[in-house]
Amino acid sequence: EPEVTQTPSHQVTQMGQEVILRCVPISNHLYFYWYRQILGQKVEFLVSFYNNEISEKSEIFDDQFSVERPDGSNFTLKIRSTKLEDSAMYFCASSERLAGESSYEQYFGPGTRLTVT
Amino acid sequence: KNEVEQSPQNLTAQEGEFITINCSYSVGISALHWLQQHPGGGIVSLFMLSSGKKKHGRLIATINIQEKHSSLHITASHPRDSAVYICAALRRGNTGKLIFGQGTTLQVKP
Repeated sequence: EPEVTQTPSHQVTQMGQEVILRCVPISNHLYFYWYRQILGQKVEFLVSFYNNEISEKSEIFDDQFSVERPDGSNFTLKIRSTKLEDSAMYFCASSERLAGESSYEQYFGPGTRLTVT
Repeated sequence: KNEVEQSPQNLTAQEGEFITINCSYSVGISALHWLQQHPGGGIVSLFMLSSGKKKHGRLIATINIQEKHSSLHITASHPRDSAVYICAALRRGNTGKLIFGQGTTLQVKP
């Protein structure tokens, strides 16, 4: 069964460093999403992406964050200068069509645990 | 006030018991996701529904759009059902943004 994959599974970085989190969505999916979950807290929406453009971003998704689909398969989240409070689990998700239309669900990757020291 | 509220926050059951987890939301939605998160952190989609009821194995999800309420039921619960169950509202609009509840931690004891 097709699945969303994410790499790395765990990334440790120093404050101020740039990190790139990678996701490979399911191949025929057109809509892509990033979410994060700080330890012990609920999952939060970061950004949605369609047709090489950001569809919506949250207030968390400030200038330090960017997303890109550099080729036909990868979808990346870049944090330019990491802060301690960026430590969280980051989930990528994808959907074939806009989630909600005709039961097109979002499928989640296993997550990347980012630790900023 | 959270836009998506779940109850209870924690639930302990004996194997075989019927379990209900509730979700209320205050925003306009086009659909609602029920998700399962295991201790390792991975999230699995269980259901997405926009009306009525869906059933998959021992899991049943219902939604009442007028009352802005959804329930997830587990029949004949088993220790392997132990996980965090999360409801996430798909906010009406064209961006696919999910608004998550805080999750219900379920432990099923043998």
